[in-house]
Amino acid sequence: AQTVTQSQPEMSVQEAETVTLSCTYDTSESDYYLFWYKQPPSRQMILVIRQEAYKQQNATENRFSVNFQKAAKSFSLKISDSQLGDAAMYFCALTGANSKLTFGKGITLSVRP
Amino acid sequence: NAGVTQTPKFQVLKTGQSMTLQCAQDMNHNSMYWYRQDPGMGLRLIYYSASEGTTDKGEVPNGYNVSRLNKREFSLRLESAAPSQTSVYFCASSEGTSIYRVTQYFGPGTRLTVL
Repeated sequence: AQTVTQSQPEMSVQEAETVTLSCTYDTSESDYYLFWYKQPPSRQMILVIRQEAYKQQNATENRFSVNFQKAAKSFSLKISDSQLGDAAMYFCALTGANSKLTFGKGITLSVRP
Repeated sequence: NAGVTQTPKFQVLKTGQSMTLQCAQDMNHNSMYWYRQDPGMGLRLIYYSASEGTTDKGEVPNGYNVSRLNKREFSLRLESAAPSQTSVYFCASSEGTSIYRVTQYFGPGTRLTVL
């Protein structure tokens, strides 16, 4: 069975600073996708970024980027120039060629003005 | 495009009552899913439908039934609600008929309280 672990329940960042959210995973598959989803207070689950395991290049989406370390099974999210609207719960998730989407327990990010 | 929509947004039930949560997507996706989110638990899959006319159990199906009404709509029914079903429910959809290694898009959620 695959697992996704987000060991930090909460983090805080100063507005305009950079923050990194950690995620580790375990899977026996070689072909899989990793995701970061954002859940603001509105509860909507918003896709932030996706990484395909076969791609060596780290995915980026504007101020969001990942550090994908396949051998270490680590998938961290870096948010640059943090904004007040980035305050939310962030979930790391994994799906393999033979395994359904599995979520971590999430991390709550607060942004200090 | 509205994406994935869910109704209602909030619902309060008494133990033993029944209700149906509605979900619709306008992205022409084949696969649809129902999840529940509990504090400290992340999201857990209740049921999914990989294509119109098919449904399958996920991780936590007990106490629920689903109907894939057509390609757009996937409903979740609680026949006899229990306090343990107090949760936030999310519907999601994805392209294709495989539920593996796909990107899922989520609705806004329904907060259900069972007294």
